[in-house]
Amino acid sequence: EIVLTQSPGTLSLSPGERATLSCRASQSVSNSYLAWYQQKPGQAPRLLMYRVSSRATGIPDRFSGSGSGTDFTLTISRLEPEDSAVYYCQQYGGSPLYTFGRGTKLEI
Amino acid sequence: EVQLVESGGGLVQPGGSLRLSCAASGFTFTTFPVTWVRQAPGKGLEYVSGIGTAGSTSYGTSLEGRFTISRDTSKNILYLQMTSLRVEDTAIYYCAKIFASGSPYFDHWGQGILVTVSS
Repeated sequence: EIVLTQSPGTLSLSPGERATLSCRASQSVSNSYLAWYQQKPGQAPRLLMYRVSSRATGIPDRFSGSGSGTDFTLTISRLEPEDSAVYYCQQYGGSPLYTFGRGTKLEI
Repeated sequence: EVQLVESGGGLVQPGGSLRLSCAASGFTFTTFPVTWVRQAPGKGLEYVSGIGTAGSTSYGTSLEGRFTISRDTSKNILYLQMTSLRVEDTAIYYCAKIFASGSPYFDHWGQGILVTVSS
């Protein structure tokens, strides 16, 4: 099983600042099958980024993804209060097919 | 517009069974894979099971053959049969569509349905 470790657990920042969220895999993630999701309280997760750096439909360009192999980063620039949420990374491959990180809580 | 609506959740005793349903619209199961993902209270996301466009199935770990995924392509309804339920199966269960075959990301989610396993 590919284990995804996200850091930090909680990140507290102010509006206008930039957030950097990390996701480290226990093995290399094949074919860049790495995605990021945003989940707000009481809501289902929402796909933000896929294939490491492609933004999902409707996601503003303040969100960007980077990385390769085992180290990946989600960057959110010009933070807004509505960005407060838990962010999860997800990879595909191996057994089980899909695994998620434990999440980073972002407080604005 | 893609929509996923789960039903069938509720309270069940340990050792009991429950069948979840997910009614999908805006796409067909023969074109896009669909999955179940769960989230225990206050915890993270966990892959439960998925079914591909041709009907192949996969399961997450720690299920030990207790869960079975199936689909009715004529009605576009996804099912999750859960047996021998344990307290640790308590979670919100989400139905989620896969972006596309070859793009293994969850691009649409249902609102989720709560399953509580308790005596």
